Amino acid sequence: NAGVTQTPKFRVLKTGQSMTLLCAQDMNHEYMYWYRQDPGMGLRLIHYSVGEGTTAKGEVPDGYNVSRLKKQNFLLGLESAAPSQTSVYFCASSWTSGRYGELFFGEGSRLTVL
Amino acid sequence: QKEVEQDPGPLSVPEGAIVSLNCTYSNSAFQYFMWYRQYSRKGPELLMYTYSSGNKEDGRFTAQVDKSSKYISLFIRDSQPSDSATYLCAMTLLQTGANNLFFGTGTRLTVIP
Repeated sequence: NAGVTQTPKFRVLKTGQSMTLLCAQDMNHEYMYWYRQDPGMGLRLIHYSVGEGTTAKGEVPDGYNVSRLKKQNFLLGLESAAPSQTSVYFCASSWTSGRYGELFFGEGSRLTVL
Repeated sequence: QKEVEQDPGPLSVPEGAIVSLNCTYSNSAFQYFMWYRQYSRKGPELLMYTYSSGNKEDGRFTAQVDKSSKYISLFIRDSQPSDSATYLCAMTLLQTGANNLFFGTGTRLTVIP
């Protein structure tokens, strides 16, 4: 009964390096989301997907790219990491649009960019 | 001005106390209101969900929405050390789309045994 699984859980990068965060859900959810959480800023939506093969920009998409090649997976990429991208990243999924409230979150991926 | 304002705390109470957590918002179009609980180093999980105005009770938790004042509250009765967590309010518009869920910054609560 895994739910939403994020890998890796921790990562340290140097400025300019690239990396990919992987999110996998086993609940057959259509919608998937990537958020970042920063002190005093709360959760902010980076990108989201309403189904396999689709992606859309959220509130803070700059510096990130995403892909949803399979329904169960949602990848978040950083092409050239910057210190401002130091954050905790959360993946979430849901059955329907956000208006029904129930997002299922992963445990987070803590990224530090030096 | 942020769409949703929430006092970050921290809030520290003795075990058994009644806790009141609050959020204010600016967009009168919000219709669905939620409270998420986030334990340290974990992802948020949905705690309570209400539609429009009124109260909703679930065990020791009561969610209250006052749309006329653009104010929502979460009350915790007989608080327990296991309630120690960060509580996030969230709200959304009455329309489809996955990008319309607005979160507060969260209130960190500690219940002291």
